[in-house]
Amino acid sequence: QKEVEQNSGPLSVPEGAIASLNCTYSDRGSQSFFWYRQYSGKSPELIMFIYSNGDKEDGRFTAQLNKASQYVSLLIRDSQPSDSATYLCAVGFGGGTSYGKLTFGQGTILTVHP
Amino acid sequence: AAGVIQSPRHLIKEKRETATLKCYPIPRHDTVYWYQQGPGQDPQFLISFYEKMQSDKGSIPDRFSAQQFSDYHSELNMSSLELGDSALYFCASSSSPLPGRDYEQYFGPGTRLTVT
Repeated sequence: QKEVEQNSGPLSVPEGAIASLNCTYSDRGSQSFFWYRQYSGKSPELIMFIYSNGDKEDGRFTAQLNKASQYVSLLIRDSQPSDSATYLCAVGFGGGTSYGKLTFGQGTILTVHP
Repeated sequence: AAGVIQSPRHLIKEKRETATLKCYPIPRHDTVYWYQQGPGQDPQFLISFYEKMQSDKGSIPDRFSAQQFSDYHSELNMSSLELGDSALYFCASSSSPLPGRDYEQYFGPGTRLTVT
């Protein structure tokens, strides 16, 4: 079992809808949680990060973290075709012995159709 | 805003050759990370450096080595290249992680290595 699991895709939503991406992690010591967007052949682009339980909103994006359930999610409101990409969930352990190393999920492919 | 710079962007090598990938972090970032991403795979952590010292090591083959220099740029040296080393190699940079949190990592454009 991977340390970081994402909901299996691909996920297809109509333009203007809410896209919901989910991620679970196995290590309770995880401290930092990131969402990256990656277009095919390009580098991961950081779109959200969250460190504390609860919700964090930035524009059309909302990240939700529940450490007790070891669950982090990303909501994309008013989805646009340009949001079509692979979304990577990444988990960090907050320095210490694993100094900034990120462990990634396998990614969820999102397609937003007009 | 300045981003992470990687060079070269594309590299073609033959088996058993060596390759050197370079990474220039975002100004004032002192921590550098290297990741390898195979086709259809998620990025796999290779190695990281903080203040010119190796800070963590992942699934990096013994044939690979890396270092961070006084100007914080980093180089990944790959020897005895194998066909399986063909992948995208990303460098990321951040401010120094602290106990209890990681600072956000920003990725460079990557180097696409093809081994023939």
